[in-house]
Amino acid sequence: DGGITQSPKYLFRKEGQNVTLSCEQNLNHDAMYWYRQDPGQGLRLIYYSQIVNDFQKGDIAEGYSVSREKKESFPLTVTSAQKNPTAFYLCASRRNSGNTIYFGEGSWLTVV
Amino acid sequence: AQTVTQSQPEMSVQEAETVTLSCTYDTSESDYYLFWYKQPPSRQMILVIRQEAYKQQNATENRFSVNFQKAAKSFSLKISDSQLGDAAMYFCAYRSSLSPANSGYALNFGKGTSLLVTP
Repeated sequence: DGGITQSPKYLFRKEGQNVTLSCEQNLNHDAMYWYRQDPGQGLRLIYYSQIVNDFQKGDIAEGYSVSREKKESFPLTVTSAQKNPTAFYLCASRRNSGNTIYFGEGSWLTVV
Repeated sequence: AQTVTQSQPEMSVQEAETVTLSCTYDTSESDYYLFWYKQPPSRQMILVIRQEAYKQQNATENRFSVNFQKAAKSFSLKISDSQLGDAAMYFCAYRSSLSPANSGYALNFGKGTSLLVTP
């Protein structure tokens, strides 16, 4: 089935560690996005990518990094520089000719 | 920057009744898209309905419809014949252009409205 797959669903991180969240899509979408969701704050844009090997910072990029080496994949690394990483992370994608953004099922990150 | 405001943190409706969720937005653009997404307890974001600003006709998807008032920058969602499965967080979103120019689009979200459906 076509869709956006995020893994892992749940991840625990010790303070000072970097962790990487995976996002893979088989929809042949061009654009991909990472959003962060905190309680009571809706979704906020971390990074986005319109094409392979190109990406741009969103509203809250500090402490995060991404890569876009393949069209299907857009992994997000949460670095130790992110001061409050505990949140729900959502990956999304869109065809460049389309107007609707579709979401994966999300990943929970908890710092312990 | 475009902002989206959902003024109702929580709403409640009885099964089979109708409920309206409010959303206002701020923009200087003339052509844009607005969306309502549903987020059930599973946390999956599900598209409910989409409205193109250039269309005067309000969008409708089965029991879901919108009241789009462009001049007032208002975009409310009406759910008719509410069902238990409608209980979820509902997010209003505005499609905004990204910078630099020609970088595509992303969604700006409101903070959401939690809808409770009672039997």
